[in-house]
Amino acid sequence: AQSVTQLDSQVPVFEEAPVELRCNYSSSVSVYLFWYVQYPNQGLQLLLKYLSGSTLVKGINGFEAEFNKSQTSFHLRKPSVHISDTAEYFCAVSPSLFYGGATNKLIFGTGTLLAVQP
Amino acid sequence: TAGITQAPTSQILAAGRSMTLRCTQDMRHNAMYWYRQDLGLGLRLIHYSNTAGTTGKGEVPDGYSVSRANTDDFPLTLASAVPSQTSVYFCASSDSRAGAYNEQFFGPGTRLTVL
Repeated sequence: AQSVTQLDSQVPVFEEAPVELRCNYSSSVSVYLFWYVQYPNQGLQLLLKYLSGSTLVKGINGFEAEFNKSQTSFHLRKPSVHISDTAEYFCAVSPSLFYGGATNKLIFGTGTLLAVQP
Repeated sequence: TAGITQAPTSQILAAGRSMTLRCTQDMRHNAMYWYRQDLGLGLRLIHYSNTAGTTGKGEVPDGYSVSRANTDDFPLTLASAVPSQTSVYFCASSDSRAGAYNEQFFGPGTRLTVL
């Protein structure tokens, strides 16, 4: 089974400052990793994903994440945040296709609220 | 395209009553999912469907049922609602037929309150 831990429930940051949202996972098999963003009163939208290959993944809106297998982490970073980045961010994991079959059943973390202040 | 639509947007329901949450996608995705979102717990998978005619249980299936009569629709039914089913419900879909891992697309959600 897989699990995801997002230790920070809320991260306050000033506009134009850098930010890192932490995500650690647990799995006995190879996994795919995802970051989703949820703006207020909306559904989730994919920011970026790691399937294989380069461990540094770039996503939309200037976000990037680095897969670290030895530390079982997939932290999300942005060098300079904007007010519009205020949202809930969810890290998610799924067993790779070889182990999980055809359906990508996601296991989500509990979310981190990024609160950007002017 | 609309993507995924959910109805109703919100609902207040008396305990013991039944209700069906509707979900329709226009992307011809083979796989569909129902999640519930609760504060401090993130999103948890209730039921899923790999393809029309098949369904499977997720992490928290008790008290819920689903059907998948066709590709586009994936309704979620609460046969006898209880207050612990108060939550925001999200429907999602993905196309996993290509063999590569594709993202899940989410609907706008249904906010359900059971009193």
